[in-house]
Amino acid sequence: EDQVTQSPEALRLQEGESSSLNCSYTVSGLRGLFWYRQDPGKGPEFLFTLYSAGEEKEKERLKATLTKKESFLHITAPKPEDSATYLCAVQAGGFQKLVFGTGTRLLVSP
Amino acid sequence: DVKVTQSSRYLVKRTGEKVFLECVQDMDHENMFWYRQDPGLGLRLIYFSYDVKMKEKGDIPEGYSVSREKKERFSLILESASTNQTSMYLCASSSGQGRTQYFGPGTRLLVL
Repeated sequence: EDQVTQSPEALRLQEGESSSLNCSYTVSGLRGLFWYRQDPGKGPEFLFTLYSAGEEKEKERLKATLTKKESFLHITAPKPEDSATYLCAVQAGGFQKLVFGTGTRLLVSP
Repeated sequence: DVKVTQSSRYLVKRTGEKVFLECVQDMDHENMFWYRQDPGLGLRLIYFSYDVKMKEKGDIPEGYSVSREKKERFSLILESASTNQTSMYLCASSSGQGRTQYFGPGTRLLVL
């Protein structure tokens, strides 16, 4: 069974304090790993897709990396507006079904 | 920009009522999805559709049905709402070739 585990469940940072969120996965035949950002009461907002080990993607203060067993979302010099829940999902098998982790709640204090 | 809209942001219904949640996408996407999101459980797939009039069960289809009569519209139906269906419902769409799913704003449903 495909599984996704995110850690930590919650993370509190000071503005400017860099850190990383982890997404560990167990799938048979990874077709893609996805990162989303979700603000309270809203739908997930797409951030990145990674397809193969060694791949990296960047967007502003965020950088996503992928290995054969896990992905990291690195946040460099975060700002309060980066506060949100970050969701990781994997796609495996023959269709576009996503399996989601339960997310990491990030709070960045000024 | 991909736009996925959902008919209501908040809904309050009574136990036993029939509930319709609608989702519309404007990107001519072939695939559409319905998820529910609960604290501690993450997003779980209820149903998906890869073409008009086609549907497939996801991980938790019990108590739900879907309808896709037009390519841009995907409806989720709660035949007889129960309190354990109180949740955040999220619709998503993706293109046939692409893999990225784009989500709507969600409908928070409360069943009393």
